[in-house]
Amino acid sequence: NAGVTQTPKFQVLKTGQSMTLQCAQDMNHNSMYWYRQDPGMGLRLIYYSASEGTTDKGEVPNGYNVSRLNKREFSLRLESAAPSQTSVYFCASSEYYYNEQFFGPGTRLTVL
Amino acid sequence: SQQGEEDPQALSIQEGENATMNCSYKTSINNLQWYRQNSGRGLVHLILIRSNEREKHSGRLRVTLDTSKKSSSLLITASRAADTASYFCATEPGAQKLVFGQGTRLTINP
Repeated sequence: NAGVTQTPKFQVLKTGQSMTLQCAQDMNHNSMYWYRQDPGMGLRLIYYSASEGTTDKGEVPNGYNVSRLNKREFSLRLESAAPSQTSVYFCASSEYYYNEQFFGPGTRLTVL
Repeated sequence: SQQGEEDPQALSIQEGENATMNCSYKTSINNLQWYRQNSGRGLVHLILIRSNEREKHSGRLRVTLDTSKKSSSLLITASRAADTASYFCATEPGAQKLVFGQGTRLTINP
């Protein structure tokens, strides 16, 4: 039982490059989330999926897209990376949106 | 804008002392949650308190919720070095998502 896994753990991109962050959970949770955390800040919600087949924008969706591939997997795509997207990205899941969330270990992304 | 705001932003105490952190929020909520984040790691859920509850305990943690004042507090008793971390409150305002505050950075000095 791995919980929430994220790949990669670290990534360096050049401005304009694209990449996809992968997230998977093995807890049969319905809801999944992508957050970013900047130094000294709390988490800001990028996108979320309250249930399989649905996705919604969070607080800071610009420059990102998501795919809820199936109940287990929720990916985050940066189509054209910008230095402002340098951050630590966390994926999380919960049984339902009102339950506790379980977090992955994070992906540290640097955009040069 | 952040729904929850923690106070203080940073807190430094001696091992064995109690630590109290506060969270204020703006809109009505269904529940409020507290999370801990050790440096460089993902958040770990500590406790969830529902809007119809006033107090909840879990080990050395005590959480209170005052919906009339739109505020919550987290008390850690008999602090240990391992409690050094950032603590975040998160509110669930009925919008299928949590909204996190900016956190309190707690340092326990030996």
